Amino acid sequence: AQSVTQLDSQVPVFEEAPVELRCNYSSSVSVYLFWYVQYPNQGLQLLLKYLSGSTLVKGINGFEAEFNKSQTSFHLRKPSVHISDTAEYFCAVSAAGYSTLTFGKGTMLLVSP
Amino acid sequence: NAGVMQNPRHLVRRRGQEARLRCSPMKGHSHVYWYRQLPEEGLKFMVYLQKENIIDESGMPKERFSAEFPKEGPSILRIQQVVRGDSAAYFCASSPSDTPSYGYTFGSGTRLTVV
Repeated sequence: AQSVTQLDSQVPVFEEAPVELRCNYSSSVSVYLFWYVQYPNQGLQLLLKYLSGSTLVKGINGFEAEFNKSQTSFHLRKPSVHISDTAEYFCAVSAAGYSTLTFGKGTMLLVSP
Repeated sequence: NAGVMQNPRHLVRRRGQEARLRCSPMKGHSHVYWYRQLPEEGLKFMVYLQKENIIDESGMPKERFSAEFPKEGPSILRIQQVVRGDSAAYFCASSPSDTPSYGYTFGSGTRLTVV
């Protein structure tokens, strides 16, 4: 079985500051990794995904994430955040050969002016 | 370019009533997943369906909950005899394949409130 740990439930930052949202996973088999964003009262939108190959993955809205197999991590980063990035961010894992995604509990990114 | 359509967006039920949540997947998607979101708990997998088949229901409560995805029409998540603890946001997602590499496309959810 897979599990995902998002280490921070809330991350407050100022506008234009860099941010890192942390995600660690556990799995006994190879995995695919995803980051989703949820704006208030909306569904989840895919930000980026790691399937294989380059460990640095670029996504939408200027976000990127780095897969680190030895540390079983997939942290999400953005060099300069905007007020509009305020949302909840979910890390998810899927084991190779399985269809379902397992989600972390989410990290609320709060960007203030 | 309709995405995943869920209705209703908000549903209020009294304890003991039945709740029916509908999900129409994206065009061309034949794989449907239901998740439940409780405050500060993230999304919990409930059930995975393909047309006319339940593939994985390991996350479904054993009683009162059922799901279907008929040959024609939307997928339905049914909750019988609702209780206060069923209050949550229920999200449907669809995918064109059983390969997780595609990721999911999510609907906007149905927020169920049991009073």
